Amino acid sequence: DAGVIQSPRHEVTEMGQEVTLRCKPISGHDYLFWYRQTMMRGLELLIYFNNNVPIDDSGMPEDRFSAKMPNASFSTLKIQPSEPRDSAVYFCASSFSGVETQYFGPGTRLLVL
Amino acid sequence: AQSVTQLDSHVSVSEGTPVLLRCNYSSSYSPSLFWYVQHPNKGLQLLLKYTSAATLVKGINGFEAEFKKSETSFHLTKPSAHMSDAAEYFCSIEGDSSYKLIFGSGTRLLVRP
Repeated sequence: DAGVIQSPRHEVTEMGQEVTLRCKPISGHDYLFWYRQTMMRGLELLIYFNNNVPIDDSGMPEDRFSAKMPNASFSTLKIQPSEPRDSAVYFCASSFSGVETQYFGPGTRLLVL
Repeated sequence: AQSVTQLDSHVSVSEGTPVLLRCNYSSSYSPSLFWYVQHPNKGLQLLLKYTSAATLVKGINGFEAEFKKSETSFHLTKPSAHMSDAAEYFCSIEGDSSYKLIFGSGTRLLVRP
């Protein structure tokens, strides 16, 4: 298996623009997690899905952030409009039946100017 | 509420000497505990996990960790450091809601030649 795939790997955008991050989980995994990593706040769980359904989005910072999982093999995290404080590395992870082992993607490094 | 404290933000060792990365946790029950490693510009990779079986857990690349309930600790050790061990290490705990992981702030390991 290719592991968790994220795209793009790097994104540079200007404040106010829409940003869409993409994730393909490992085939057969039924949980998908979105994390954000910054120097100031470390690793934060933003949202997670089970069988394509959002279960807990309490970590989503504000209404500018939204996440979808239209099918078992694809998820998006969208920021609209983006702000400089959104600059971070965003990780997607997937697991089979929950927390036992989460497999992380390589991350998307986002810079908002 | 669950929390994780990694006691050292940076640890520096010489190649061939032992490694000790410290982690303390707070939880109202006996949780599952994990250590992840992150190499530069990479995603997180699971090193080992404790899930209420043997208190001494062996992981990949010669790492192991010991769960001590009385001390609420889960320190990571390796007898002999290798240059390739230089990375950031994260301790994490199963959150109070199922399938969420709470991460510590990380410990950056530097291995000197």
